[in-house]
Amino acid sequence: GAVVSQHPSRVICKSGTSVKIECRSLDFQATTMFWYRQFPKKSLMLMATSNEGSKATYEQGVEKDKFLINHASLTLSTLTVTSAHPEDSSFYICSASPNFNGEAFFGQGTRLTVV
Amino acid sequence: GQQVMQIPQYQHVQEGEDFTTYCNSSTTLSNIQWYKQRPGGHPVFLIQLVKSGEVKKQKRLTFQFGEAKKNSSLHITATQTTDVGTYFCAAGTYKYIFGTGTRLKVLA
Repeated sequence: GAVVSQHPSRVICKSGTSVKIECRSLDFQATTMFWYRQFPKKSLMLMATSNEGSKATYEQGVEKDKFLINHASLTLSTLTVTSAHPEDSSFYICSASPNFNGEAFFGQGTRLTVV
Repeated sequence: GQQVMQIPQYQHVQEGEDFTTYCNSSTTLSNIQWYKQRPGGHPVFLIQLVKSGEVKKQKRLTFQFGEAKKNSSLHITATQTTDVGTYFCAAGTYKYIFGTGTRLKVLA
């Protein structure tokens, strides 16, 4: 199957700093990628749809200035958590699909801890 | 917005017992996907159902899509310890909303 790589897998940062998470599709082009957030033992919450060459589409309740998404190429989307606070600590995971409306492939996820 | 509920939230079974998780939507679905997430891992695609009343099998796993395309189920026959994880359904078109998930523990 297709491969989606996410980096870093774990990051610890201080309150007030920003953290960038990368999501790459390694063997296919993805005009669209999706960013999710997952709290412990909870479901995946869709945060935003990342669109190559245009602005991301954010889900209701997700602060676009807080979670900056950039999809500069067909194989790379980045999520930047700006001015991180402890409540931003979570598991962030991206997905992409080589086919519209088809199977989604997930990155390995990034566990963010803000201290 | 669209909501996708799953029951049960948790299930503990003895190895060899069967397991079923149910997925219910408030709206008619164009298709439904199922994923498995192992503890500490990321979701892995299992299957996609598209047709009303569709039934698909993968070894010990049986997936069903309701006639009204508002619900779906995943049944595992004779569970094994390798079945441990959280099973999610996901619904949508192009953009998928994940269900609440069912966490399965299999006791050896």
